[in-house]
Amino acid sequence: KAGVTQTPRYLIKTRGQQVTLSCSPISGHRSVSWYQQTPGQGLQFLFEYFSETQRNKGNFPGRFSGRQFSNSRSEMNVSTLELGDSALYLCASSPQTGLSGANVLTFGAGSRLTVL
Amino acid sequence: GIQVEQSPPDLILQEGANSTLRCNFSDSVNNLQWFHQNPWGQLINLFYIPSGTKQNGRLSATTVATERYSLLYISSSQTTDSGVYFCAVVGRGADGLTFGKGTHLIIQP
Repeated sequence: KAGVTQTPRYLIKTRGQQVTLSCSPISGHRSVSWYQQTPGQGLQFLFEYFSETQRNKGNFPGRFSGRQFSNSRSEMNVSTLELGDSALYLCASSPQTGLSGANVLTFGAGSRLTVL
Repeated sequence: GIQVEQSPPDLILQEGANSTLRCNFSDSVNNLQWFHQNPWGQLINLFYIPSGTKQNGRLSATTVATERYSLLYISSSQTTDSGVYFCAVVGRGADGLTFGKGTHLIIQP
């Protein structure tokens, strides 16, 4: 059973550019959530998508957006990149939406973004 | 929002030693998970444990929800246990996981 696949694994951008990251969940999983990891702020929740709808959103500016397709694959986009957006972006999939119940997340290997 | 504190922040042990990692949280939770992040950044789910005790090989975890803490035990440590261990919770009314800052564990041969 394939795990969560994130692409690209590494990328370098310059300030002002935009970037799109992709996440393919485990087959049968309908929820995809995104997290940002930086040395200063640690791991922070970005947003969650379920059945092509954004269900929840963390405390990030509008430059961070995402979407989910009918096959549950998800993309996140960051526009007008800033130096502080340099981070490891992790995607996780789970069978159901929300985390109030026994909904265990499986993470991908991450996409490491460097903004110069 | 809910606060998650992990201790110790850093831990260096010799191979074969046992260790206990602690996670304190500031409010009631209905989801608590322990993760291990390897040197390549991959987060591996170790336990889903909002309450009670679970064991998986050399690892076990206990959550005392009424006292708002969870413990992760690692016995007979191996060098492959090195990495960062994160506790993550979902508080009431919250939607995403809130992570602690992690415990950086180094197992020396």
